[in-house]
Amino acid sequence: EAGVVQSPRYKIIEKKQPVAFWCNPISGHNTLYWYLQNLGQGPELLIRYENEEAVDDSQLPKDRFSAERLKGVDSTLKIQPAELGDSAVYLCASSSLAGTYNEQFFGPGTRLTVL
Amino acid sequence: AQSVAQPEDQVNVAEGNPLTVKCTYSVSGNPYLFWYVQYPNRGLQFLLKYITGDNLVKGSYGFEAEFNKSQTSFHLKKPSALVSDSALYFCAVRISGGYNKLIFGAGTRLAVHP
Repeated sequence: EAGVVQSPRYKIIEKKQPVAFWCNPISGHNTLYWYLQNLGQGPELLIRYENEEAVDDSQLPKDRFSAERLKGVDSTLKIQPAELGDSAVYLCASSSLAGTYNEQFFGPGTRLTVL
Repeated sequence: AQSVAQPEDQVNVAEGNPLTVKCTYSVSGNPYLFWYVQYPNRGLQFLLKYITGDNLVKGSYGFEAEFNKSQTSFHLKKPSALVSDSALYFCAVRISGGYNKLIFGAGTRLAVHP
């Protein structure tokens, strides 16, 4: 079984530039999560999707961050414009049957550096 | 507020010795607790979870965790550490009403020395 796929693995951009991250969850997983992980900290949830619907985006800074999950499979997280403080690892995770206690499966992450 | 704490930034242990990585939590309602491990440049990998039942939970790679309701703790343990166990370990709690929303601790770096 293929795991959660993320690309790119690394991204370096100048501040004020846009950037996008892509995630392909495990086949059949209807729930998809985007997390932010700052250095030395645990992941923090940005947004959660149930199929195509964003059911929890309370932690997403909507002035510059946006996300979509067309067709309920792949997802894209975008930052526009990026700021220095956005430098972090962006993790995508997926799980099946969000109403149960199933564990979440994480991708390798995208390490963003904003210069 | 619902939270999880990992009081140790780093744990050092000699190979072959038992290891413990500590975690305490604060939630309303029944706690659902998880341990994940993160190797360099890789995503988090699930180790084990406690939902209900036996307080001693067994997981991957020989790890186990003990749920203690009175002490609100969920410490990760392994009887004999391996150098390959060296990694970053995260405890997480599912918050009530959060529909599988997890709150993670800050992580504990485990260093196993030969």
